[in-house]
Amino acid sequence: GNSVTQMEGPVTLSEEAFLTINCTYTATGYPSLFWYVQYPGEGLQLLLKATKADDKGSNKGFEATYRKETTSFHLEKGSVQVSDSAVYFCALDNSGNTPLVFGKGTRLSVIA
Amino acid sequence: GAVVSQHPSRVICKSGTSVKIECRSLDFQATTMFWYRQFPKQSLMLMATSNEGSKATYEQGVEKDKFLINHASLTLSTLTVTSAHPEDSSFYICSAREVWQPQHFGDGTRLSIL
Repeated sequence: GNSVTQMEGPVTLSEEAFLTINCTYTATGYPSLFWYVQYPGEGLQLLLKATKADDKGSNKGFEATYRKETTSFHLEKGSVQVSDSAVYFCALDNSGNTPLVFGKGTRLSVIA
Repeated sequence: GAVVSQHPSRVICKSGTSVKIECRSLDFQATTMFWYRQFPKQSLMLMATSNEGSKATYEQGVEKDKFLINHASLTLSTLTVTSAHPEDSSFYICSAREVWQPQHFGDGTRLSIL
């Protein structure tokens, strides 16, 4: 079956630190991969996506590269800000119209 | 970009009341909509999937008579929590998608039953 595993949180970083949130997946075929972000009290926002191997998704300074050989889609940002404090969800889509398969989420807290 | 509008954002009501939550896709036709429930500091729990014009498919353990879902058009789905009780208090989030497009989420509804 399809599944997503992401690193357990919470992650606490100082402002301007480098961020990595690991995400690995199990899927048949060639899924699309996503990172969503949830700010406190809000729904989920699509942060970035990649639809095929070696694609790099990027947005707001965040990046993730679809690595088929390691079945990974790690999220990175070179310099985090306090405003990046949120919960980040890795997800995969393998069929086009069924619900995303989510990881459990990683809570990030950035302190000034 | 695509936007999903969810209303109301917050509801506080007495036990036994039925509460309706609306989810609209604003600039695309949502062939499929999803309803999630999220407990504090946890991931999203899928409750049901609905396709326009057909009955919703509920996940195991979700009471379909308790959580009524209607997907009458390609831009609107509603979730009605019938005879709500304190244990139904939670954060409910809807999501919508077109085939082979990313899922887009509403801002959620915080339901508090007194």
